[in-house]
Amino acid sequence: SQQGEEDPQALSIQEGENATMNCSYKTSINNLQWYRQNSGRGLVHLILIRSNEREKHSGRLRVTLDTSKKSSSLLITASRAADTASYFCATGGSEKLVFGKGTKLTVNP
Amino acid sequence: DAGITQSPRHKVTETGTPVTLRCHQTENHRYMYWYRQDPGHGLRLIHYSYGVKDTDKGEVSDGYSVSRSKTEDFLLTLESATSSQTSVYFCAISDTGQGTQPQHFGDGTRLSIL
Repeated sequence: SQQGEEDPQALSIQEGENATMNCSYKTSINNLQWYRQNSGRGLVHLILIRSNEREKHSGRLRVTLDTSKKSSSLLITASRAADTASYFCATGGSEKLVFGKGTKLTVNP
Repeated sequence: DAGITQSPRHKVTETGTPVTLRCHQTENHRYMYWYRQDPGHGLRLIHYSYGVKDTDKGEVSDGYSVSRSKTEDFLLTLESATSSQTSVYFCAISDTGQGTQPQHFGDGTRLSIL
C-alpha cells in the first residue's frame, strides 16, 4: 500500500518558472524524503526532512512539512530543462520507506 | 554516486524460467533492498536485507526469493518467472534502518518475461 501520494501527477512549465509538487500521507512519520528520477535511471535522493522540522533548503530546492495536515511540498525555484524528471516523496517511519507514485515534471526550454 | 552495480541491465526471458538479478555495492552499507517499479504503482519493496544472511519480506514478496552471503552482494531470484513479473527492478542501499536515512539506488534492471 502506498503511503505518500504526490500531486499533481504531471506538471509542465517553462524554464525559469518555479515548480511546486505536493505530497500527502496518511500515518505518522519519522521523516519524509524527496527523490528525483531521470528517465532510465535510478532514484536520486534530494532532501530529507524530519518530523520535527517545518522547512528545509538545499540549493534551489525548498521542502516544507506540515505534520498536522500530513502533507509536504517540494518547490524548485528558477527551473531548468535539466530539472525534467519524475519526483517522488517517500515516508519513513519505524519500518519501511514507502514511496508515492511520483510527479512527472517537464521543463520546456 | 554511491557504488551500486546491478546486473544484468536488461534481460528478456520466457515464462517458467528461473532468473537471478544481482546487486553489488562497494559502500559497505548494512541494508540492501530490492524494489520493482511499474506504471501506476510506483516503487514497491520486494525484499530487504539487514545483514549477511538476514533478510525479510516486503510488500510484494510472493514469487521472489533473495540471498545475501556477502555484505556487498544481494541476489534476487525469480524461481519460475511469470509475465506479471515483467518490470524494472531497482536495488538500493542504506547505512541504517529502512526509513531513517536516505537510500541510494542502482540504475535498474529492465526485465521482460514473454
